[in-house]
Order: sequence, then C-alpha cells, then structure tokens
Amino acid sequence: AQKITQTQPGMFVQEKEAVTLDCTYDTSDPSYGLFWYKQPSSGEMIFLIYQGSYDQQNATEGRYSLNFQKARKSANLVISASQLGDSAMYFCAMREGASGYGGSQGNLIFGKGTKLSVKP
Amino acid sequence: ETGVTQTPRHLVMGMTNKKSLKCEQHLGHNAMYWYKQSAKKPLELMFVYNFKEQTENNSVPSRFSPECPNSSHLFLHLHTLQPEDSALYLCASRDPNYGYTFGSGTRLTVV
Repeated sequence: AQKITQTQPGMFVQEKEAVTLDCTYDTSDPSYGLFWYKQPSSGEMIFLIYQGSYDQQNATEGRYSLNFQKARKSANLVISASQLGDSAMYFCAMREGASGYGGSQGNLIFGKGTKLSVKP
Repeated sequence: ETGVTQTPRHLVMGMTNKKSLKCEQHLGHNAMYWYKQSAKKPLELMFVYNFKEQTENNSVPSRFSPECPNSSHLFLHLHTLQPEDSALYLCASRDPNYGYTFGSGTRLTVV
C-alpha cells in the first residue's frame, strides 16, 4: 500500500500568490516524522520543513508552513508569496518509528512528487 | 553545496561496462543512503549503511554493488546494467541531530 500520496502531479501558481501542495500519509505507528523537500532541475533534494507526529503546533519555516491534520493523516505544504525560483518538484516524505527531526529509526519514504510552476 | 558530494554528475555507460558512483560527505554523519529516482516514480531506497555496516538492502539486483569503506565515503559499483536502470541516483547522509542531507545526484543513462 502506498504510504505517501501526492495527488497533484502538476500545479501552476501566479507569482506572489500562495499555493498549497497536498500530501496524505498512511501509518499505524504513533511516532513518525513528515518532511517536505524541494528538487530543482539540478537534482539536489533541498530540505524545506519538518513536522513530528507529537508536535502540537504546525511547523513554519519562512515562507513555508505545514498544515498538519493528524486525524486526517494530512500534511499539506503551504508556500506563501510564490517566487519564480520556487518552480521545482516538491516531495513529501515520511519516516516511521521516530518523531524527532533526526531520529535513529526508520528510513525516509517518498511520495511521487508535485511539479510546481510559478508564472510571472 | 550541501556537504554531500556526488561524482560524476552525469554518466553514460553501455550494458557491458563497469562503472562506479561515488558519494562523499564530511559532515560527520554516521548513516549513508543510496536512492534511485526514476521518471514518474517515487524515490526508491536501495541501500542503507550505519557506521560502515550495511543495514538494509531493499531487494536491489546484484548488478548494483555498494561499498562503504568508511563513514565519509559510499560507492555504488555498477556492472551489466539494463536500460531500465537509467535514473538519477541520489546519495544522502544522516545525523540523528540534523536529519538528512542529499547530494545533487548522478544522472545515469544506460545505452
């Protein structure tokens, strides 16, 4: 069964507008971590934001915020004030067995990604 | 520059060739990973090394042979590959306190 589902293969957003990239996950482990990565055409996976399963508040990092809805097993990424440089692939990932950012258990499992294109 | 360096960035090889991919990190991380990224598929975990010991082989064909001589270096030796092995191969390292750091990948084309 697919553990990470990203239902939007591609998204378009106008520059300076906000955009939400969807991610749902499936796990029976009460302890897990959720990650979002950005992959530009150069190939490098760039870490954006992290949410632990026991974190009480939604994570925020600059223009990135994570809309964590635990009961719905949803971890959507919100990018505010989109910039042309935000055009890239975005991947949601989960690590089971540890809710800390690092964690010594579990391996990252990735979704298929969403290609975001920012229009000028 | 992320701190994880992969070479070469691009590689074209024939099905009968033998080549190696190299990954190097000087971040002091103790865990290193190989991932395969094919078009329109999620990243697939291939191998995991912790403190130079292989702790996971995700049912990878034997034509892929990893080597981890020390905690800073990870290799992926390739031989008699198939065209469907063409992909972006990503290396990552991890420290319990700092999470995962990825390299820029090697884009492999098998002809």
